[in-house]
Amino acid sequence: DAKTTQPPSMDCAEGRAANLPCNHSTISGNEYVYWYRQIHSQGPQYIIHGLKNNETNEMASLIITEDRKSSTLILPHATLRDTAVYYCVDENTDKLIFGTGTRLQVFP
Amino acid sequence: DGGITQSPKYLFRKEGQNVTLSCEQNLNHDAMYWYRQDPGQGLRLIYYSQIVNDFQKGDIAEGYSVSREKKESFPLTVTSAQKNPTAFYLCASSIGDRGGEKLFFGSGTQLSVL
Repeated sequence: DAKTTQPPSMDCAEGRAANLPCNHSTISGNEYVYWYRQIHSQGPQYIIHGLKNNETNEMASLIITEDRKSSTLILPHATLRDTAVYYCVDENTDKLIFGTGTRLQVFP
Repeated sequence: DGGITQSPKYLFRKEGQNVTLSCEQNLNHDAMYWYRQDPGQGLRLIYYSQIVNDFQKGDIAEGYSVSREKKESFPLTVTSAQKNPTAFYLCASSIGDRGGEKLFFGSGTQLSVL
């Protein structure tokens, strides 16, 4: 099964960019990379996904390396409400496998 | 409003008892999923279903059962065989097309053992 590796925790000052890394050591050529975030005791929320090219939407940007073995989620101007656990997820055939995520703490 | 609804929000199980967690979606999604989350941990896949009347085991299916008789409903039964059922259970749905597997999650059910 697909497996991702993320740092367990990160801090970021409010208003600064938060860059969350992820390693996708087992990803295949046609499997998408997804990012979700989970605020305490709620269901995870979709943020962004991509295959090979970098992606941007109203929430974040996604940078995927050329070999696709790593990706970075960028929150350009972090706010206190961005404090959450962030999961990078590999697509694995017909299901998504979640890891343990990165706990991002945004401080004033 | 379209969405995915889980009920109840809190559930208590007695020893040896089966309990059923409800999950309903009105998004017209083909695929539905059940995940289990333990405190401070990530999500682990219990069961998933890509189409009505069909479902597959995830990584931790032992002690659980599901049914998919209707497209909009995917109930999860936690059986007495599940010896450590206390956890936060999350249901999700998606369109079901590969490359577009954006999951929509419910708000979860917290199951505790009395």
